[in-house]
Amino acid sequence: DIQMTQSPSSLSASVGDRVTITCRASQSINSYLNWYQQKPGKAPKVLIYAASSLHSGVPSRFTGSGSGTDFTLTISSLQPEDFATYYCQQTFTTSYTFGQGTNLDIK
Amino acid sequence: EVQLVQSGAEVKKPGESLKISCKGSGYSFINYWIGWVRQMPGKGLEWMGIIHPANSETKYSPSFQGQVSISVDKSFSTAYLQWTSLKASDTAMYYCARYADSKSGLFDPWGQGTLVTVSS
Repeated sequence: DIQMTQSPSSLSASVGDRVTITCRASQSINSYLNWYQQKPGKAPKVLIYAASSLHSGVPSRFTGSGSGTDFTLTISSLQPEDFATYYCQQTFTTSYTFGQGTNLDIK
Repeated sequence: EVQLVQSGAEVKKPGESLKISCKGSGYSFINYWIGWVRQMPGKGLEWMGIIHPANSETKYSPSFQGQVSISVDKSFSTAYLQWTSLKASDTAMYYCARYADSKSGLFDPWGQGTLVTVSS
């Protein structure tokens, strides 16, 4: 199975900050990488698919980049509604593994 | 509107069987894979497996192979996740999600989740 490793596991930031979360795959996954946001008690919501494509309705402050094994999710200016847990997921193989998550909370 | 609606919360005892459902609407159900994801209390997302409604082709994560069964009834536009003998460690939220296509790798939408509690 492909292992997905996110960093950091947790992050404290303030409204207006620029935040970057990274995701590393144990082998090349080309650009088959999704990013999700999950709030407590809710289903995950897709933010970015195919590494850098912004899903419909997602604010443009979210951007994804990377290919191969190293990927990043950047939030350009944190808003109060962005405090949540973020997950990456590879879709290169049908094991579709997730990263362990990054909990983003208010500083 | 494309949506997946999951069955309601379940409380079961160890050793009991259970089948939870995920009903698709607003799109051609047989044309899209449906996947299942587990989230144990306070933990992250775990990929379980995926099924294609047209032919019931199923792919399981090695971690869940033999532990659960994924099935589909295309006449009801519904996918299922089933256990024959539940354990306390099966206590979790379970989500289904539609796989758009292999080119995009997009899983959307997701169901609202089904909470399964296994306790004696």
